[in-house]
Amino acid sequence: RKEVEQDPGPFNVPEGATVAFNCTYSNSASQSFFWYRQDCRKEPKLLMSVYSSGNEDGRFTAQLNRASQYISLLIRDSKLSDSATYLCVVNRMDSSYKLIFGSGTRLLVRP
Amino acid sequence: DAGVTQSPTHLIKTRGQQVTLRCSPKSGHDTVSWYQQALGQGPQFIFQYYEEEERQRGNFPDRFSGHQFPNYSSELNVNALLLGDSALYLCASTTLGEGNNEKLFFGSGTQLSVL
Repeated sequence: RKEVEQDPGPFNVPEGATVAFNCTYSNSASQSFFWYRQDCRKEPKLLMSVYSSGNEDGRFTAQLNRASQYISLLIRDSKLSDSATYLCVVNRMDSSYKLIFGSGTRLLVRP
Repeated sequence: DAGVTQSPTHLIKTRGQQVTLRCSPKSGHDTVSWYQQALGQGPQFIFQYYEEEERQRGNFPDRFSGHQFPNYSSELNVNALLLGDSALYLCASTTLGEGNNEKLFFGSGTQLSVL
């Protein structure tokens, strides 16, 4: 079993739709959580950190449930430019940045 | 201010050969990590260098080795290449100073193809 599991998708949604991605992690020692975005053949880029209290950045909302070891990302009002692969990432120790990546969920936003 | 730079961008090798990939961290960063990303997978942690020493290592064989120089730049070496080593190799930098909250920054990667 992989340490970080994600639905690979693809999620094919129309512009303006709301889409949610889920992720589970198996190591309870995980301390920091992130969502990264990766465009085709490009490097991953940090989308947002994820906190227990939940956090929002514009159209993006991330939630963390430590008890269930579950992370989510909600994208509202999808844009064509949101098409990318979204990587769920955990870090066991805050100071080490040994990131454990999920395999990613591919999102396709159609006109 | 240059970000993380990697070279070369693309590389083609044959089985059994050796390869060296290079990375210059973002200005002000002293820690370099290397990741391997196979097609359709997320990046996998190879190892991390800080103060010219390997601090952490992922589940990769000894064929994968690295080095960090006094200027914080780093090299990844892979010996006896296998077809399965074909992947995007990503370098990421940060600084691990006390109290620091700097995130990880990735370079654009080196695409290695082993034939």
